[in-house]
Amino acid sequence: GDSVTQMEGPVTLSEEAFLTINCTYTATGYPSLFWYVQYPGEGLQLLLKATKADDKGSNKGFEATYRKETTSFHLEKGSVQVSDSAVYFCALPSYSGAGSYQLTFGKGTKLSVIP
Amino acid sequence: DGGITQSPKYLFRKEGQNVTLSCEQNLNHDAMYWYRQDPGQGLRLIYYSQIVNDFQKGDIAEGYSVSREKKESFPLTVTSAQKNPTAFYLCASSLRQGAAEKLFFGSGTQLSVL
Repeated sequence: GDSVTQMEGPVTLSEEAFLTINCTYTATGYPSLFWYVQYPGEGLQLLLKATKADDKGSNKGFEATYRKETTSFHLEKGSVQVSDSAVYFCALPSYSGAGSYQLTFGKGTKLSVIP
Repeated sequence: DGGITQSPKYLFRKEGQNVTLSCEQNLNHDAMYWYRQDPGQGLRLIYYSQIVNDFQKGDIAEGYSVSREKKESFPLTVTSAQKNPTAFYLCASSLRQGAAEKLFFGSGTQLSVL
């Protein structure tokens, strides 16, 4: 079945460091791909998405490019801030029959940014 | 402001007890979902509903039940049959069910066993 694999955490970076969180997927066809972020004590919120191959999603300085050759959707940010400390989830929709889809999430990568 | 409200934020369950987690949305979304989050395991889908009076089992429905009598509300009952209920429960909604739909999440309920 469809799945996503993201790098294990936790990841600890100093402020202004470069961030990469790897995500690879296994799927039939070319599904949309998502990154969600969960700040401490809160629910998830959509960070960015890409709906087709070679698309680049971007938001709040984060970027991710949908690469079908390597089945990857790695999350990057050039200069992280303390406020970026959160758990990041890669996700893709899986078809579950009768016209419905379920979002399959990776296990999450916890990022801590220290001043 | 539109959004999803989950209550309570913290909930404690005694042995053999059923407890109900509330989820209300005022986004006029058709689809609603319940996820369970355990440390290091990501999110797992419990139940989802595409429309009022209809719902489907997710990957881990055993020991849980839901209802969808109103478009705005999708309560989750954790029954005594769920032997390991301690987890963070997240409710979500989307405008409709689809492959590119954005999910909106509530702020979660932490359930613990006494």
